[in-house]
Parts: sequence; structure tokens; C-alpha cells
Amino acid sequence: DAGVIQSPRHEVTEMGQEVTLRCKPISGHNSLFWYRQTMMRGLELLIYFNNNVPIDDSGMPEDRFSAKMPNASFSTLKIQPSEPRDSAVYFCASSLRLEGNTQYFGPGTRLTVL
Amino acid sequence: AQKITQTQPGMFVQEKEAVTLDCTYDTSDPSYGLFWYKQPSSGEMIFLIYQGSYDQQNATEGRYSLNFQKARKSANLVISASQLGDSAMYFCAMRAVGQFYFGTGTSLTVIP
Repeated sequence: DAGVIQSPRHEVTEMGQEVTLRCKPISGHNSLFWYRQTMMRGLELLIYFNNNVPIDDSGMPEDRFSAKMPNASFSTLKIQPSEPRDSAVYFCASSLRLEGNTQYFGPGTRLTVL
Repeated sequence: AQKITQTQPGMFVQEKEAVTLDCTYDTSDPSYGLFWYKQPSSGEMIFLIYQGSYDQQNATEGRYSLNFQKARKSANLVISASQLGDSAMYFCAMRAVGQFYFGTGTSLTVIP
């Protein structure tokens, strides 16, 4: 299995631009998670899906952030407009099911907003 | 409130020795899960070990074992026979009340 795939691996953009991060979970996994990691805040869970349905988005920092999962093999995290404080590593993770299973992380997308 | 705490920001261990990384938690959920992840300097997050709250035995995965003390609400990670490649950040995490919580991490350095 290829594992969780994220693209791009690195993104540099200017403040105000729209940023779209992409994730392909492990085939057969029903749950997908988006995290953000910064030095100041550590790892934060932004949103997670189960069977393509958003379950909890209470970690999404503001309305500038949105996430979709149109099918079982693809999810996007969008920031519009982006701000310098959004600079972080964004991880996508998937698990077989929501309860009791471990999460397998993708390699992350390092986002820099200038 | 749900909480997970790692009190050791940094640890050092001699190669081939064992090391224990501390993790304590608090939750109102009777059914919860505890995880440990490793994050090397390359940045990826690697799952190490999982313990369910109803599991009777401590989880083990190769050189990793989880010392689960439910009454003390602790889930310490024990790494036996440390290797240089074990140098990394280690995160303890908890799944409870439908959410996931991560500790602040412990930086482990293995000394040759």
C-alpha cells in the first residue's frame, strides 16, 4: 500500500492567496483527519471525516479554512485568503475506522505564507 | 475536560539502554484509546503502539511497550535497547469523547 499521499509537499504563497492542500487516504480506510503542526501550538486536530462525512470541525481556526471529502479517496483543505500565521505543516491521516484504530499519517505539506 | 500531558521536554539515553517516556491523561470517557507516535527530524509521523482502555494486557510492538496503569492514568512508553535511529520527538495521544488529543512531545536523544 502506498500509504497516505499528500500534495504538494511544500507550498510557498503570498498573503491573500488561496491555498489548496490535497490528501489521498489509504484505500479502505473510512476515517480521515486533518492536522496542523506549529512550534507554538504543537499538533492540532482541525477536522475529521467518517465515511466522507465531516464529523467534527471544531478545530478549524476560522471561516477562512474549509475542508471537503467528495469521495472515499480524496480530501482537500482550503485556506482562503491565506495569512502568514497559517504557516505550518499540515498533516492528513487516515484510519480504518473511527473508533479504536490508529491513524496513519501522510508526509505532510509544509505551508509558508509570506 | 480531556487532557494529555507529557512532562519531559527532552530526554537522553545511552545506546542499548532502555528509556521510559512519560505520559499521563485525564478523560471522562470510559472507552478511550492511547497512542504513541514518533516524529524524526525528517518530519513524518510514525505510529508506534496502541492501547485500548479495556485492554487487560500492556501493548507491545517489538522494542516498544506501553506501561498502562489505568488507576494512575498513565501510559508510559518504554523503548528497550535504544538505537541511534530512535532519536526523535515522541508524542503521546489519546482518543476520547470523539476527539483526538496530542501531548506536547518529548525529544529523545540517543547517545552513542
